[in-house]
Amino acid sequence: GQNIDQPTEMTATEGAIVQINCTYQTSGFNGLFWYQQHAGEAPTFLSYNVLDGLEEKGRFSSFLSRSKGYSYLLLKELQMKDSASYLCAVADSGAGSYQLTFGKGTKLSVIP
Amino acid sequence: ETGVTQTPRHLVMGMTNKKSLKCEQHLGHNAMYWYKQSAKKPLELMFVYSLEERVENNSVPSRFSPECPNSSHLFLHLHTLQPEDSALYLCASSQDLGAGGDLDTEAFFGQGTRLTVV
Repeated sequence: GQNIDQPTEMTATEGAIVQINCTYQTSGFNGLFWYQQHAGEAPTFLSYNVLDGLEEKGRFSSFLSRSKGYSYLLLKELQMKDSASYLCAVADSGAGSYQLTFGKGTKLSVIP
Repeated sequence: ETGVTQTPRHLVMGMTNKKSLKCEQHLGHNAMYWYKQSAKKPLELMFVYSLEERVENNSVPSRFSPECPNSSHLFLHLHTLQPEDSALYLCASSQDLGAGGDLDTEAFFGQGTRLTVV
């Protein structure tokens, strides 16, 4: 099985930087995804990491350390529209399944 | 605008009713999924279809019955549901089926159907 942990809620100020952490345990790691979900809307893809290191995409970056079972999503120059839930999801080939297993999500509130 | 469309967006049904949720994807993807999202719980995978064949059923009660008539359409038939089944039901699709490994398993989600069972 898998255990994916991320903080339930975070608050940050507009213009600041925030880091959302995700830790996981898998039997056969095969990739980690971050999704953004605004209230009442569909989750949308943000990033994908399968190798160690940092992937940068505009204001958003995602980091992975496979040996530590750890990832983070870094959001820079926060905007009010970044208020949303951020979902960490792990693909586990060792489970013999085709699914992504999601964490409970981190609800980020950006305040002026 | 999403390439995955779900209808209805909201549904209220009694425990003795029969209803169906519909999902349609316009992305040419080969795999489709049903997820359940309850308050304060992670997204739970319910069913997986690849090229219209069901490849995974995550111990979902038989009161939920999926149907995939073609690679673009996915249905979830509901009957004799319980109040605890009230949740957001999300449909997703991906180019290919697989446990990650590359971006072809990136899931594109629909807007979801907010289901309330009374």
